[in-house]
Parts: sequence; structure tokens; C-alpha cells
Amino acid sequence: SQELEQSPQSLIVQEGKNLTINCTSSKTLYGLYWYKQKYGEGLIFLMMLQKGGEEKSHEKITAKLDEKKQQSSLHITASQPSHAGIYLCGADYTGTASKLTFGTGTRLQVTL
Amino acid sequence: DVKVTQSSRYLVKRTGEKVFLECVQDMDHENMFWYRQDPGLGLRLIYFSYDVKMKEKGDIPEGYSVSREKKERFSLILESASTNQTSMYLCASSSRDRGHTEAFFGQGTRLTVV
Repeated sequence: SQELEQSPQSLIVQEGKNLTINCTSSKTLYGLYWYKQKYGEGLIFLMMLQKGGEEKSHEKITAKLDEKKQQSSLHITASQPSHAGIYLCGADYTGTASKLTFGTGTRLQVTL
Repeated sequence: DVKVTQSSRYLVKRTGEKVFLECVQDMDHENMFWYRQDPGLGLRLIYFSYDVKMKEKGDIPEGYSVSREKKERFSLILESASTNQTSMYLCASSSRDRGHTEAFFGQGTRLTVV
């Protein structure tokens, strides 16, 4: 079974709608990283969460880490076509950020 | 602007060929990684290196080897390419000294083995 589960696997939303992507770990995290990938390209770093209960925002994207540091959510407000892509969460289980374990990703499509 | 550069965006190789994928970073990072990405399986770590000439196996090292002769360059080698190695390959680097820091990724190499 996967150490890190992402849900949903894919998502289609209408432009302007809000959405949430979840990332659940089977064990406690030292850190949780969110990346975005445009189709067929490399990953772009979005945010990193370390402390239980931490919340960070960048433009219309907000990420939270729960108190137990085993679950994170990524919330997009008023989605736009530019938000389309694959969102991946990466878990640091070693405390050094030298190696990340990734979820399988969530493919987001935003329709007009 | 920080950069991780992979030598090729697309490659087509024949079964049995020896294939070299090159990755160069200009951030003086200690750590470098090779991942492969497949639909439904996400990113899986093949090998990583935390210093020059140092390497450690990741989750799926079989059929691959790596070389890190210089700090800025990390090469992935497919000794004898097979069709099940058709995949998207992503290189990444990160700093050890900054503690929890994000990894920077290259654009990826889409390898097709025929």
C-alpha cells in the first residue's frame, strides 16, 4: 500500500469554482511539500508545511497541515484555467528534506 | 534564476542500447535525485546522491546506475534499455545546509524504448 495517498486522482471543475485536494500519510511527517506540474513538464514548487496546524497561502492557493502532521489539504479558490495541471504532494519522512516520497498526483482540469 | 537542466526533452532508443541521461544544476546543491514518473504510480525514486562520488539506491534501482563525478552533474545510465523503462525521467536537486528546503526539478526527459 502507498505511504502517501492523494485524492481525488482527477478532478474537473468549472472556472470560478473552489476545489480541495487531499494528501494523507500513513505515518507522521517531518515536512509536506506541494508541487504543480504542467502536462509533460517538470515540477514547480508551491509550498512547504512543517508545523502541525500550519497554513500557508499563495495567491488563490492555500495549503494546510493537520495537527497530527499526517494529512494535508490544498485548496484553490475561484479556479482559473491557469490552475490546470497535476498537483503532487511530497512527504519528508527523514527530517532532512534530502529525500521525498511522492503521492500519485491529482490531475486537475478547469473548464470554461 | 535557479536551474536544473536535463540534456534532452525527448529521446527514442532501441532495446538493448546503453542510454545516458544527463542532469546539471547551477545552485551548488549537495543532493541530486533521479525519479521516474508513470501514470498511476506517481514519482518513484531511482537513485540519489548526497555528495560527489556518493550514491544511494532509491525505491526502484534495478536496471539503472548513476554517476556523480562533479558536484553539478548527475548522470542516470540505463545499461541495457528495455521497453518497461519507457517513462518520464525527472532530475532534482536540493541543498543539505538549508535543512528543510524544497527540491528543484528539471523539465524532464521523456524516454521511449522501442
